[in-house]
Amino acid sequence: GQNIDQPTEMTATEGAIVQINCTYQTSGFNGLFWYQQHAGEAPTFLSYNVLDGLEEKGRFSSFLSRSKGYSYLLLKELQMKDSASYLCAALDSNYQLIWGAGTKLIIKP
Amino acid sequence: EAQVTQNPRYLITVTGKKLTVTCSQNMNHEYMSWYRQDPGLGLRQIYYSMNVEVTDKGDVPEGYKVSRKEKRNFPLILESPSPNQTSLYFCASSFLGETGVIGELFFGEGSRLTVL
Repeated sequence: GQNIDQPTEMTATEGAIVQINCTYQTSGFNGLFWYQQHAGEAPTFLSYNVLDGLEEKGRFSSFLSRSKGYSYLLLKELQMKDSASYLCAALDSNYQLIWGAGTKLIIKP
Repeated sequence: EAQVTQNPRYLITVTGKKLTVTCSQNMNHEYMSWYRQDPGLGLRQIYYSMNVEVTDKGDVPEGYKVSRKEKRNFPLILESPSPNQTSLYFCASSFLGETGVIGELFFGEGSRLTVL
């Protein structure tokens, strides 16, 4: 079956760096998305990776290894507003999105 | 302003009373989708549409209907709501790439539905 695994919850300190991991098993692969979702709000797009490697976008970076079925989202210089859930989603061979349950990130002062 | 608009945002209803949640996007997106989100389960797809008059079931379609008569609108219909359909619902839309790849999803603000 198809599956996405990511940690349920993580805690980090303001100003620090945190890495949120995501492993996927899908029927074929056409890319991986990361979304941010603040409590009670809609998800918003962060990144899309389809080739191996690191994509940097300001304080956020996303990495993909297709051979390992693995991705991570790296958040630098953490701010309190980064407290949110981070959703990993893989696009399978039928161009369907398979979603992880999300990682709740708690930032402490 | 580019947006996806859902209505109503909040609704409390009773078992068996038909209801429709509307979704409209102004970005000329081909792809539209409905999700429900429940604690600990993440986003689960109900139905999706690749274009006008083309709809397909997602992972949890039972108890729901959709239609796509116009490109901008994708209403979600609960013919006979039950308490297990109490959830937070999101509509989303996206452009499709040349090979049918879904791009960045734009989400509506969500509709919180309670069925008593």
